[in-house]
Amino acid sequence: QTVVTQEPSFSVSPGGTVTLTCGLNSGSVSTAYYPSWYQQTPGQAPRTLIYSTNTRSSGVPDRFSGSIVGNKAALTITGAQADDESDYYCVLYMGSGISLFGGGTKLTVL
Amino acid sequence: EVQLVESGGGLIQSGGSLRLSCAASGFTISSNYMSWVRQAPGKGLEWVSVIYSDSDTYYADSVKGRFTISRDKSKNTVYLQMNSLRAEDTAMYYCARVSRNSDGFTTFAFDMWGQGTVVTVSS
Repeated sequence: QTVVTQEPSFSVSPGGTVTLTCGLNSGSVSTAYYPSWYQQTPGQAPRTLIYSTNTRSSGVPDRFSGSIVGNKAALTITGAQADDESDYYCVLYMGSGISLFGGGTKLTVL
Repeated sequence: EVQLVESGGGLIQSGGSLRLSCAASGFTISSNYMSWVRQAPGKGLEWVSVIYSDSDTYYADSVKGRFTISRDKSKNTVYLQMNSLRAEDTAMYYCARVSRNSDGFTTFAFDMWGQGTVVTVSS
């Protein structure tokens, strides 16, 4: 069974830089998986940050960036702010119509 | 205004059925892939199903054979028919549009979300 892996939690200092990753329990993530990233705060619908590995969604500040790092997709937040404290989810397209979410990363800014 | 509005959630007994609706405005659903994503209380997001613009449909293994996604072009609405409901189907259900890039190709990412509708299955 394919599992999309994310760090369960991460912390960053205000103004700092953090890189969250999105991997597979078996195999490497590439652009062919069309990685995308979403931010969600409690009680709210998700907000789209990044699609197609590294394209920012409309209105997303450029301190959010996406890439492939090693064998994983990555979301980097540069100059972290207090309101970046959220849950972050990645999605990979697995082919044959199927998409999979990662388990999410709870980011703390302190 | 471009938006998605879900409805149809509620409390239902295990084994029962429910149909969720997702009314779209500001764009045409048949020109886009449309998905359902759910989130159990305190848990992460889970992709449930997608309907392509050519009407092909796909499902997560956890709902295959029990859930059916469909659409009504005249109402610009997407549906999720949920049968044989189980306690583990209890979740907030979001409707989401799958985006296309500037060349018109799908990105397999979700660029628009509704506010969700809550489904509670009692055992």
